[in-house]
Amino acid sequence: QQQVKQSPQSLIVQKGGISIINCAYENTAFDYFPWYQQFPGKGPALLIAIRPDVSEKKEGRFTISFNKSAKQFSLHIMDSQPGDSATYFCAAENSNSGYALNFGKGTSLLVTP
Amino acid sequence: EADIYQTPRYLVIGTGKKITLECSQTMGHDKMYWYQQDPGMELHLIHYSYGVNSTEKGDLSSESTVSRIRTEHFPLTLESARPSHTSQYLCASTLGGNYGYTFGSGTRLTVV
Repeated sequence: QQQVKQSPQSLIVQKGGISIINCAYENTAFDYFPWYQQFPGKGPALLIAIRPDVSEKKEGRFTISFNKSAKQFSLHIMDSQPGDSATYFCAAENSNSGYALNFGKGTSLLVTP
Repeated sequence: EADIYQTPRYLVIGTGKKITLECSQTMGHDKMYWYQQDPGMELHLIHYSYGVNSTEKGDLSSESTVSRIRTEHFPLTLESARPSHTSQYLCASTLGGNYGYTFGSGTRLTVV
């Protein structure tokens, strides 16, 4: 059962535009929500993460928006660049369960020049 | 640079062969994981470990086994490789406690 639902599956954005990827979860015990970026031939790399006690976290051009009541969170990439073209995965974890991260299915982002 | 290393980087083997994929990390992380991923697709948890002599099966049964004799080493063994095992295998580790995972670069396995 997919515990974290991610959309869209693929996304094409023009250079300079805003890329938005959405994720939703059901398990209210999740208390950690990271985003990973993966380039072809590489392992995923931690991009940015948020805990549910804050509604937004910004690091450079990357922002996570978190809506606890709706059980949704999203990644916004401002001023998208061709170098941002990659696959993005959202994930969620219950740090008290002793279990592993639950990943979304991924979003393939292409930023066109 | 990631301090988690996977070898080999690429491997082509015949059906029925036994293989071991290596994963080592130098960060002293207790928690380690193996994921299977088709290119650009979702990650499926195969096995995980919370420390030495601790191993658990994940959601995806891939007819593989793991061992954790040393903190830094978490090898994955396929007893009898099949074409359905053709995939990328990713190893990861973490301190836990919301510190995020560090992934290796993966082993791209092709079974012919």
